[in-house]
Amino acid sequence: AQTVTQSQPEMSVQEAETVTLSCTYDTSENNYYLFWYKQPPSRQMILVIRQEAYKQQNATENRFSVNFQKAAKSFSLKISDSQLGDTAMYFCAFMKLPGGATNKLIFGTGTLLAVQP
Amino acid sequence: DAGVTQSPTHLIKTRGQQVTLRCSPKSGHDTVSWYQQALGQGPQFIFQYYEEEERQRGNFPDRFSGHQFPNYSSELNVNALLLGDSALYLCASSLRISGRTYNEQFFGPGTRLTVL
Repeated sequence: AQTVTQSQPEMSVQEAETVTLSCTYDTSENNYYLFWYKQPPSRQMILVIRQEAYKQQNATENRFSVNFQKAAKSFSLKISDSQLGDTAMYFCAFMKLPGGATNKLIFGTGTLLAVQP
Repeated sequence: DAGVTQSPTHLIKTRGQQVTLRCSPKSGHDTVSWYQQALGQGPQFIFQYYEEEERQRGNFPDRFSGHQFPNYSSELNVNALLLGDSALYLCASSLRISGRTYNEQFFGPGTRLTVL
């Protein structure tokens, strides 16, 4: 069975600074996806960034980037130039690849990020 | 383009009662997944529906059941409610395309269920 662990329940960062959220996972699968989702107080879960396990290059989406270490089973999220709107709960998630189908997401317990003005 | 919608927004029930939650998928999507998010926790997968059948199921008792309609909308039913069923219930929709290895799941805003 796959598990996802987020060891930082809460974090705080000053506006315009950089913050890194940590995530580790456990799986015996070789092909899978990893995700970071953002859940603001409005509750809507929003996909921030996605990483395919077979790609060595780390994914980047504007101010968001990941550090994917497959051997260490580590997947951290870096937010650069933090903005007040980044304040939210951030979830790391894992998806096994069956191929040709949508599989279930396995989530960590989340990290509550507060961006301070 | 309408995203995933869920109803109701909030719901209060008492122990032993039954509840039905509803989800309309994003336009063009045919697969619906349901997740339970207890307070302070990450979402837990309940089950997934495609072509009006349950395709995958998480570790939830039979009190949790669902249905998918021909228009792809879905219902989640919970019988004999327990206090521990209090949670945010999230619906996610996606498009199941043969041969594709990944289809993004889009989430709705959730239904907050409180069991007293």
